[in-house]
Amino acid sequence: ETGVTQTPRHLVMGMTNKKSLKCEQHLGHNAMYWYKQSAKKPLELMFVYSLEERVENNSVPSRFSPECPNSSHLFLHLHTLQPEDSALYLCASSQEKGEETQYFGPGTRLLVL
Amino acid sequence: AQKITQTQPGMFVQEKEAVTLDCTYDTSDPSYGLFWYKQPSSGEMIFLIYQGSYDQQNATEGRYSLNFQKARKSANLVISASQLGDSAMYFCAMREGERNDYKLSFGAGTTVTVRA
Repeated sequence: ETGVTQTPRHLVMGMTNKKSLKCEQHLGHNAMYWYKQSAKKPLELMFVYSLEERVENNSVPSRFSPECPNSSHLFLHLHTLQPEDSALYLCASSQEKGEETQYFGPGTRLLVL
Repeated sequence: AQKITQTQPGMFVQEKEAVTLDCTYDTSDPSYGLFWYKQPSSGEMIFLIYQGSYDQQNATEGRYSLNFQKARKSANLVISASQLGDSAMYFCAMREGERNDYKLSFGAGTTVTVRA
């Protein structure tokens, strides 16, 4: 069982680039999450999908655009990012959106130049 | 207001010794869940242990145990017989509300360094 995987693991992009982060879960879960982890700040929940429907958007700037084509895959599309968006982006999944435990992927370390 | 407080930014522990990581929480909800995650330098958040607010006994999972003191609103993690591989960042987190609430609030984390 490979749990939750994320690609790429590292990404460097310019402010005018467009890139996408991919998350895949192999746990048969129905809910998926995007978190942002910046240096010296607690994890911030960005988006939540339950059964492929977005149920949470925590005032995230529109330059971040999530997509959940099915319950196993979650994408985060990035465009015209700012240097302050540099962070570790973590994907997680849980059985249902209320299930106690969220299981995380290894994260994508993003650097915006 | 801070929902989860971890007051120890960093700790050193000798190999084979036990270490206690502090976590206090703030909620008025009678139903909540408390979690501890481990984050090695590779970045992955690894689930360690869970304690529900209505659980009568302290949770244990191998070398991890959670010292749950409900009246004091504390949920300290105890790692027994520390190993070099335990060196990592440790996060305390809380889920408030009934089972259909998915939001986790994380603390700032504690860095643990295990010395040989």
